[in-house]
Amino acid sequence: ILNVEQSPQSLHVQEGDSTNFTCSFPSSNFYALHWYRWETAKSPEALFVMTLNGDEKKKGRISATLNTKEGYSYLYIKGSQPEDSATYLCASSNTDKLIFGTGTRLQVFP
Amino acid sequence: DGGITQSPKYLFRKEGQNVTLSCEQNLNHDAMYWYRQDPGQGLRLIYYSQIVNDFQKGDIAEGYSVSREKKESFPLTVTSAQKNPTAFYLCASSIVDSLAQETQYFGPGTRLLVL
Repeated sequence: ILNVEQSPQSLHVQEGDSTNFTCSFPSSNFYALHWYRWETAKSPEALFVMTLNGDEKKKGRISATLNTKEGYSYLYIKGSQPEDSATYLCASSNTDKLIFGTGTRLQVFP
Repeated sequence: DGGITQSPKYLFRKEGQNVTLSCEQNLNHDAMYWYRQDPGQGLRLIYYSQIVNDFQKGDIAEGYSVSREKKESFPLTVTSAQKNPTAFYLCASSIVDSLAQETQYFGPGTRLLVL
């Protein structure tokens, strides 16, 4: 993998459903993996930064895992709510800059 | 309120004109960044600056210029040499925490439309 890739591109779920999406990144020269949430008409907001293989981080109903050996990270949202609707960006960094994926656009319907 | 401000929110310019986008932060962050977003693409790095009076080209620097005369300010000029300037532009600044992990904080963006 040469770029950061996210899947799916978009996702529609019902309120209360749990969901997850994937970020794949180059495993060579890896330094850190970042997840951001970007709501419409707002600035991207940092969710997690992870560096170690096997890292798991949690913030409320949102959690993320990291596998640096195979080059992927999962973001999980438990019991999705309409306010979770946003684009979720991941970015891989070497020491001085981030490479962003195209994002997963999540819409949660009440 | 601490944060990053970008102005204006929308900007219209005629083809062939240079235009400068403003980015100001009062977070006391050393590093600042400019990204461009186009439909269906991830954020792409234009320029970044890790310290005052120093900056480096990102992946798509052609047709852009920056300056970093003050810690708080990192203006981006879109020159007439930029072939496809119409895009959404995001500015960010960053800090490294005690675990040596960097987090970037973003402004609200400026949408530039060149007619």
